[in-house]
Amino acid sequence: DAGVIQSPRHEVTEMGQEVTLRCKPISGHDYLFWYRQTMMRGLELLIYFNNNVPIDDSGMPEDRFSAKMPNASFSTLKIQPSEPRDSAVYFCAISRRGAGGYTFGSGTRLTVV
Amino acid sequence: KNEVEQSPQNLTAQEGEFITINCSYSVGISALHWLQQHPGGGIVSLFMLSSGKKKHGRLIATINIQEKHSSLHITASHPRDSAVYICAVVSGGGADGLTFGKGTHLIIQP
Repeated sequence: DAGVIQSPRHEVTEMGQEVTLRCKPISGHDYLFWYRQTMMRGLELLIYFNNNVPIDDSGMPEDRFSAKMPNASFSTLKIQPSEPRDSAVYFCAISRRGAGGYTFGSGTRLTVV
Repeated sequence: KNEVEQSPQNLTAQEGEFITINCSYSVGISALHWLQQHPGGGIVSLFMLSSGKKKHGRLIATINIQEKHSSLHITASHPRDSAVYICAVVSGGGADGLTFGKGTHLIIQP
């Protein structure tokens, strides 16, 4: 989707390595969300930002996960150290208050071996 | 925490059939979303509802706030409608994050 660009599309890493997932919102937004999708648990909210400020990070699984949004055009989700159970597809999504609807990025498929 | 239940989990139908996917939730919401995820993995937002009914092409979404229930209908289904359809709700008063159902895997056979 042209509204949100995620990179990389695929990432394979070894257990214990640091992984950084990137999200670049292109269209206007007030909110940015990080979601994770697994076969077992489906889609889950990890964290979201309002005007670049983290609002709710209660979905972040552990201290190994951290997210930043230094400006309106960029956000990162970092896992350090990574574990095999972190293998999932990670989606970034944006929304605008009053406009309704969400725009999702194409996702990053992470495999930790 | 809001519990979102979808039914059926899997649905296979013939081209041209009328399709209904159901979603129920446990706690009052500010909005409900229907999303579509194709085999390639991308997620597209189909509808956002807070009341009543919306229509887009062959897709119709309805919501009954009192019953805490929503339905997604597809008329004159086509193989290209084959996808996973996901119901998601926003529980808070603002743009809180979505809580998702497990999705309905729809296959339309020619």
